[in-house]
Amino acid sequence: KAGVTQTPRYLIKTRGQQVTLSCSPISGHRSVSWYQQTPGQGLQFLFEYFSETQRNKGNFPGRFSGRQFSNSRSEMNVSTLELGDSALYLCASSLRGGGGHYGYTFGSGTRLTVV
Amino acid sequence: DQQVKQNSPSLSVQEGRISILNCDYTNSMFDYFLWYKKYPAEGPTFLISISSIKDKNEDGRFTVFLNKSAKHLSLHIVPSQPGDSAVYFCAASRGGADGLTFGKGTHLIIQP
Repeated sequence: KAGVTQTPRYLIKTRGQQVTLSCSPISGHRSVSWYQQTPGQGLQFLFEYFSETQRNKGNFPGRFSGRQFSNSRSEMNVSTLELGDSALYLCASSLRGGGGHYGYTFGSGTRLTVV
Repeated sequence: DQQVKQNSPSLSVQEGRISILNCDYTNSMFDYFLWYKKYPAEGPTFLISISSIKDKNEDGRFTVFLNKSAKHLSLHIVPSQPGDSAVYFCAASRGGADGLTFGKGTHLIIQP
């Protein structure tokens, strides 16, 4: 079966702009989580969605938001981009969510560079 | 405050030998621990996990040990193979929808 698909793979944006990243989970998976990976902070939890509802959010400013659609696809949006938002953004798909207890499958990520 | 720490940024091991990757945590509420492996330009891949009610879990060449009193876990890979060269992340969960808390990773290099 198809894995987790993240688009686009690479993105370059200018400070102050906004960006939308997309994630299509594995068919049948209802939970999508987002993580940010940077060299300094490592992998950090952004938020988790299950059946179109945000169930939890990590310690990120309100400029980071997301949503999930009825087909379980998810988007995350970052507004007013800052240089420090340059990172690899990873989407993780799972059947039920729950902190990875039930198995996360990660996508290959979107590499965002803010200039 | 880093709740999951991997104190060795890199580790070099000879092919065929045992690789031991270590991880420490501070939050006693964590009840589930996982190891992920990551190659460049790919997402992390799940390797093995352990619940806090166990002290050992084995899967082929991979064994994870959990010492709750020391808040320490380790991943043993025996024997180490060239394809094991990757970055290994330790992660912990409190359950619910909290998400995983990751360590910063250890770059394992298997030397021929």
